[in-house]
Amino acid sequence: DAGITQSPRHKVTETGTPVTLRCHQTENHRYMYWYRQDPGHGLRLIHYSYGVKDTDKGEVSDGYSVSRSKTEDFLLTLESATSSQTSVYFCAISESGTGGWTEAFFGQGTRLTVV
Amino acid sequence: DAKTTQPNSMESNEEEPVHLPCNHSTISGTDYIHWYRQLPSQGPEYVIHGLTSNVNNRMASLAIAEDRKSSTLILHRATLRDAAVYYCGHTGTASKLTFGTGTRLQVTL
Repeated sequence: DAGITQSPRHKVTETGTPVTLRCHQTENHRYMYWYRQDPGHGLRLIHYSYGVKDTDKGEVSDGYSVSRSKTEDFLLTLESATSSQTSVYFCAISESGTGGWTEAFFGQGTRLTVV
Repeated sequence: DAKTTQPNSMESNEEEPVHLPCNHSTISGTDYIHWYRQLPSQGPEYVIHGLTSNVNNRMASLAIAEDRKSSTLILHRATLRDAAVYYCGHTGTASKLTFGTGTRLQVTL
């Protein structure tokens, strides 16, 4: 299995509090992604990173920020959590090279509940 | 932004072939097409990907239309273990990987 770990795996937090989710990889992959998964919406990209300190917005980035200060860690922060951010969050990693794209590996997910 | 559409659900009988369609209306020439599947309570897992030519691996085959605006994931003999949500997607600018809303595949005896 690919070395990708999400923490925490479960979290309950109150509306208005900041929350940070961590994605850690041991594969030295260049690309890292944060998705949220909600019924009827599939996997929606929040933010992604194409290198250390290089990040960009995805499809649903409002209310979220990210940071990547080293290759192995990609942090997702909810600045002020709202109930609409209750979801399952997945991190993914991938790589590309002279042979093109390789498969993306996903973490096991973080279930976040905002009350 | 990328727009990828899939049917919400499909059904198949066990041991029969399954063709899962996907439309990639905003795909560009250098975008790879990806397929992943998700079993209950697990993270998505890789199935197959390709650029222009049809691709085969031990899990499935991927047929890519000549204009690349659509793709089809082919499971040659569906089993009960193939019941999952299947996501298609593609990489875009700066390796942005986005997906459709997924097709829930039911496999019956």
